[in-house]
Amino acid sequence: GENVEQHPSTLSVQEGDSAVIKCTYSDSASNYFPWYKQELGKGPQLIIDIRSNVGEKKDQRIAVTLNKTAKHFSLHITETQPEDSAVYFCAVGGFKTIFGAGTRLFVKA
Amino acid sequence: ETGVTQSPTHLIKTRGQQVTLRCSSQSGHNTVSWYQQALGQGPQFIFQYYREEENGRGNFPPRFSGLQFPNYSSELNVNALELDDSALYLCASSSDTLSYEQYFGPGTRLTVT
Repeated sequence: GENVEQHPSTLSVQEGDSAVIKCTYSDSASNYFPWYKQELGKGPQLIIDIRSNVGEKKDQRIAVTLNKTAKHFSLHITETQPEDSAVYFCAVGGFKTIFGAGTRLFVKA
Repeated sequence: ETGVTQSPTHLIKTRGQQVTLRCSSQSGHNTVSWYQQALGQGPQFIFQYYREEENGRGNFPPRFSGLQFPNYSSELNVNALELDDSALYLCASSSDTLSYEQYFGPGTRLTVT
């Protein structure tokens, strides 16, 4: 079955810096790659997604890149702000979605 | 537009008991998926319901069962609770099985003692 690995598990950046979170997956047939942000006491919130026919997608300060050949995708957050502090999950698949283990992002003011 | 809601927020049960968790899907969504999220881990897919039928299942034993009602709300039932069932249970809805975008509720925190 599908396996998703996410790195790093913890990331600490200074406000205004960029943050990058990387994920790899195993099933080459996978075609949907969402990213979720989870704040304390809340459910995961979809922040951006990308499908296999696209290599990059951007929405304001966040962007996702996908390399299907290498089976990895990344989340990029630019100009980080303290409110970006949360746990971020990559995931694969729209059905039986498989999640990574999460990255706890700390943005220091 | 009403988002995904779940009840109760928190629940404490004893090992061996049974529990029912409830979820109301986002307006216009007919597909509901349930996930278990252990502390410090990513959510794990339990099963999905589409038009009142189970539409796929993850690696969970039969004591995890569900229902979906005509208004697309859903229940997750867990029998013979074990200590390892302690987790945050998340419900997510999507507009149909072909729409990959899922919207999560706040979850129900279940503690089994």
